Amino acid sequence: DQQVKQNSPSLSVQEGRISILNCDYTNSMFDYFLWYKKYPAEGPTFLISISSIKDKNEDGRFTVFLNKSAKHLSLHIVPSQPGDSAVYFCAATGVTSYDKVIFGPGTSLSVIP
Amino acid sequence: EAQVTQNPRYLITVTGKKLTVTCSQNMNHEYMSWYRQDPGLGLRQIYYSMNVEATDKGDVPEGYKVSRKEKRNFPLILESPSPNQTSLYFCASSLSRQSYGYTFGSGTRLTVV
Repeated sequence: DQQVKQNSPSLSVQEGRISILNCDYTNSMFDYFLWYKKYPAEGPTFLISISSIKDKNEDGRFTVFLNKSAKHLSLHIVPSQPGDSAVYFCAATGVTSYDKVIFGPGTSLSVIP
Repeated sequence: EAQVTQNPRYLITVTGKKLTVTCSQNMNHEYMSWYRQDPGLGLRQIYYSMNVEATDKGDVPEGYKVSRKEKRNFPLILESPSPNQTSLYFCASSLSRQSYGYTFGSGTRLTVV
């Protein structure tokens, strides 16, 4: 049973528009969440994170929102650029998972010029 | 340049022929981990190591071995590979177990026939 879910395997967005990638989790004890970005033939790279004490974290064009009651987080990319085309992995961890990072299956984002 | 180096990048082997995938990091990181990526399943942890001579099983350890004799190296060993171990493998490292912004290697594409 997957503890971290990304229900959209793929997403296409026009350049300049907003990309919204969604992630749901089942373990209410997760308290730290991360997003990783992966280009083909490369390893994932850390993008942005958020602690459960916050509901929003922003870094340039990237913002992560956390809704603890819904066990849902989302990554917003504004404005989207063609270089953002990649697979995005949502991940979660917490003390009760012994700090093990659990990854979701990923969402492939295509930004169309 | 700070990096995690995996070798080889691509490997095709036959069932039962022992192989080793090497992983080395130059950041003096304590924590290292191996993941496999399969379609629809995201990244699943195979083994991890919190420091030299300290290794432990992840979520999918069956059929794999690891060792951590030096801080910088964390090889993944498949004693008797089987076709269900065909996958994309990533090595990752971080300063400590609680430093979740992992640095990943570029991946090893393994095919077992």
